[in-house]
Amino acid sequence: DSGVTQTPKHLITATGQRVTLRCSPRSGDLSVYWYQQSLDQGLQFLIQYYNGEERAKGNILERFSAQQFPDLHSELNLSSLELGDSALYFCASSGGNRLYNEQFFGPGTRLTVL
Amino acid sequence: EDQVTQSPEALRLQEGESSSLNCSYTVSGLRGLFWYRQDPGKGPEFLFTLYSAGEEKEKERLKATLTKKESFLHITAPKPEDSATYLCAAAIDNYGQNFVFGPGTRLSVLP
Repeated sequence: DSGVTQTPKHLITATGQRVTLRCSPRSGDLSVYWYQQSLDQGLQFLIQYYNGEERAKGNILERFSAQQFPDLHSELNLSSLELGDSALYFCASSGGNRLYNEQFFGPGTRLTVL
Repeated sequence: EDQVTQSPEALRLQEGESSSLNCSYTVSGLRGLFWYRQDPGKGPEFLFTLYSAGEEKEKERLKATLTKKESFLHITAPKPEDSATYLCAAAIDNYGQNFVFGPGTRLSVLP
């Protein structure tokens, strides 16, 4: 158990809908990272937040947005969902603010778009 | 373009048969090379971070090494519980695609 929690574990929705994924980092970690993992794309870095502010951006679509709240939990919002958005979404956390700090991954949220 | 590749794509070993996994990277400004283990349907589990060429790290049956162009994960006398997908990733200090994962090597260790 990494100490990172994600809810929900599974999410099934329809195209065009909007969903919110939630992540709670390990106690004391200030950075939260979001990743998407699909069969054809592998693991893709989406975005990083550090202590409430956006720190780095990867392959995140404009339909997706994230934020980190004062209590350090983070939410990833996915809107206008398409079939291709079906994937595992992972959150990770670390104590530092750099991408090369050791990251601890949560168990993931499996999103299915029908 | 920053890129991380891994070989082989899949590897089957007999228990006790040592081998190495390769991670090749072409990136600008490497800040760290990471190795993770991932079991099916679970999040990646951190194994090692290597920061500079020549660095080596060990943990139980695993040893990771780094050169200027590639990293190796050596598995000595593997056991069936070592079966997993092993991912390497490069942390790059550019604003943009900052953390690039390789596609992984799927390792199966047969008893």
